[in-house]
Amino acid sequence: DGGITQSPKYLFRKEGQNVTLSCEQNLNHDAMYWYRQDPGQGLRLIYYSQIVNDFQKGDIAEGYSVSREKKESFPLTVTSAQKNPTAFYLCASSILAGGNNEQFFGPGTRLTVL
Amino acid sequence: AQSVTQPDIHITVSEGASLELRCNYSYGATPYLFWYVQSPGQGLQLLLKYFSGDTLVQGIKGFEAEFKRSQSSFNLRKPSVHWSDAAEYFCAVGATGNQFYFGTGTSLTVIP
Repeated sequence: DGGITQSPKYLFRKEGQNVTLSCEQNLNHDAMYWYRQDPGQGLRLIYYSQIVNDFQKGDIAEGYSVSREKKESFPLTVTSAQKNPTAFYLCASSILAGGNNEQFFGPGTRLTVL
Repeated sequence: AQSVTQPDIHITVSEGASLELRCNYSYGATPYLFWYVQSPGQGLQLLLKYFSGDTLVQGIKGFEAEFKRSQSSFNLRKPSVHWSDAAEYFCAVGATGNQFYFGTGTSLTVIP
């Protein structure tokens, strides 16, 4: 079955540590996205990638980094510079970038900083 | 600037009752509009979308939505709610750039 997988489902991090969240898709989609979800704030875009080896900052990129070395993979690193990283992180993909393309979502990773 | 407003943070309805979730958007051009549903601790699933044409669109799980340009609205409706519809619902606008803009969500509780 085609879809998006995110791992791990739950992640715990100590303050000052970097941590990487995995996102893989087998939908053959060009575009991939990372969102952060906090209660009462909806989804906020962290980074997106239109194509392999290219990515752009979203609205809240500070303290995060990404790479897009393969079409199917778009890992997100939460660095120690992110002041409040505890949140639910959602990865999405669409066949192409653009607002007219439905985004498909993974099941999410809940990150907790201890 | 583009934005999406969902005025109702939380709605409670009885099972079998009708449902309407409100969504207002701010966008300069013809918008691409979406409704997604999220169960607790899960990702988002697309319910329906509007790009152009008939302003009443049908989606999955018996949901429908109506695009009203004059009111900048895209409200989601269901004639008879089931207990399994309890979830968080998000309205989104797809801009001509590469971003989606999501509302803050409406949490739906269904009581027996």
